Amino acid sequence: SQKIEQNSEALNIQEGKTATLTCNYTNYSPAYLQWYRQDPGRGPVFLLLIRENEKEKRKERLKVTFDTTLKQSLFHITASQPADSATYLCALVSTSGTYKYIFGTGTRLKVLA
Amino acid sequence: DVKVTQSSRYLVKRTGEKVFLECVQDMDHENMFWYRQDPGLGLRLIYFSYDVKMKEKGDIPEGYSVSREKKERFSLILESASTNQTSMYLCASSDGGTPSTDTQYFGPGTRLTVL
Repeated sequence: SQKIEQNSEALNIQEGKTATLTCNYTNYSPAYLQWYRQDPGRGPVFLLLIRENEKEKRKERLKVTFDTTLKQSLFHITASQPADSATYLCALVSTSGTYKYIFGTGTRLKVLA
Repeated sequence: DVKVTQSSRYLVKRTGEKVFLECVQDMDHENMFWYRQDPGLGLRLIYFSYDVKMKEKGDIPEGYSVSREKKERFSLILESASTNQTSMYLCASSDGGTPSTDTQYFGPGTRLTVL
C-alpha cells in the first residue's frame, strides 16, 4: 500500500542552525510534492512545491529537494529562528488516474533560542 | 488572499446527533476537501468535490456524507455522530489548475468532541 513517512519524533535545533526534515514514500509515483507548515490549533499553510522533474527548489531561507530514485524529499530551513517552530507536513500529489493527495503525519520542529 | 472559513472552531455534540460542519471559500476554487486530523495519523481525506453537486469519496468516508450545492460552500455531515468521530476537521480548497497553482488552502479547523 502507499505509504509516506516523516520523522514522528520532534526535532530540536539551536537558533541559527540549519534544520533538515525528511519525507520518504513507498509504492507511489507522485507528480509533485508540497510542504506545509502547521501551527498548533490552525490549519496547514502551503510553503513550497517541487515537481518530479525538479531536483531542488528555494524560497528565501527554505530549500526543498526531491529525489525520485530514493523516493525522498528533504526540507531545509537555513538560519533557523524560534519563529520557525511548528509542525511541517509533506504532501504527495498524483495526477494520474484519480486525483490524489497524501499527507505525511508531520514533523514537529522546535528552534531553541 | 484566499480565505477559507469554517462555521465553528469548537463543537461538542452527543452520540447519535446529526452534525453539520460548514466550509466557505471566497476564491472561486473548483476543488474542495474535507479532512480529519488525529495525533499520529496525520491528515486523512474524507471526501472531496471537483465541482458543484459532484463528490468523490476519500480514504475514510464511512459515517460521513457531504453536500456542495454552491461552488463556494462544502458541507460535511455526520449522520449519527459517534465517539470515534471526535477529531479535528479541516476543510481545504484549491483551484485545480496547473501544479504551480494547485495548492491547498486550509480553514482554521473545527475541533469536534462527541460525548
